[in-house]
Amino acid sequence: DAKTTQPNSMESNEEEPVHLPCNHSTISGTDYIHWYRQLPSQGPEYVIHGLTSNVNNRMASLAIAEDRKSSTLILHRATLRDAAVYYCILRDRGSQGNLIFGKGTKLSVKP
Amino acid sequence: GAGVSQTPSNKVTEKGKYVELRCDPISGHTALYWYRQSLGQGPEFLIYFQGTGAADDSGLPNDRFFAVRPEGSVSTLKIQRTERGDSAVYLCASRLNRAGEQFFGPGTRLTVL
Repeated sequence: DAKTTQPNSMESNEEEPVHLPCNHSTISGTDYIHWYRQLPSQGPEYVIHGLTSNVNNRMASLAIAEDRKSSTLILHRATLRDAAVYYCILRDRGSQGNLIFGKGTKLSVKP
Repeated sequence: GAGVSQTPSNKVTEKGKYVELRCDPISGHTALYWYRQSLGQGPEFLIYFQGTGAADDSGLPNDRFFAVRPEGSVSTLKIQRTERGDSAVYLCASRLNRAGEQFFGPGTRLTVL
């Protein structure tokens, strides 16, 4: 699985949108882009994933660059509960195996 | 519905002792994963089960670590002759099928004194 690069930390104000970037310049054509987040003292939880098109779900939106070398996780209105470490992970379409986590981005949300 | 559960939530042991960590996956999930997370790091893969068999154990750091899943449901991670460097949060995850997301448990915090 290809490598991803994320900023170590980001800050946001409550009720404002947050854009969390991820670079994956060596992504292959069959790699899906997955995002997980880990709240303090909890296990990671799935947020969203996509291949080429932008994706929306109840938690977030995923914007994927046209060349797929980068993506952005968008939280439309940050809440205090969104303070977590966010991980951007690439997984091959055919993979049944483990996730490869980097250090992720630690998001702080200020009231 | 019930999520992935792990017991105990905390385990303190002495160097050289044997420990067992248990994972109860979501009912019906055939895939089960163990990860280890050190402070300030992302989770690191240890072993993956598909059904009862270990499909990939390439992440186990050495032969002191062993895991089983005898009936294809509950899994136990076993660590022999624990060392201080084994101190970490041990996470378990399960997945329903090939395309599904992984659901993580809350982890077991292991401290080796």
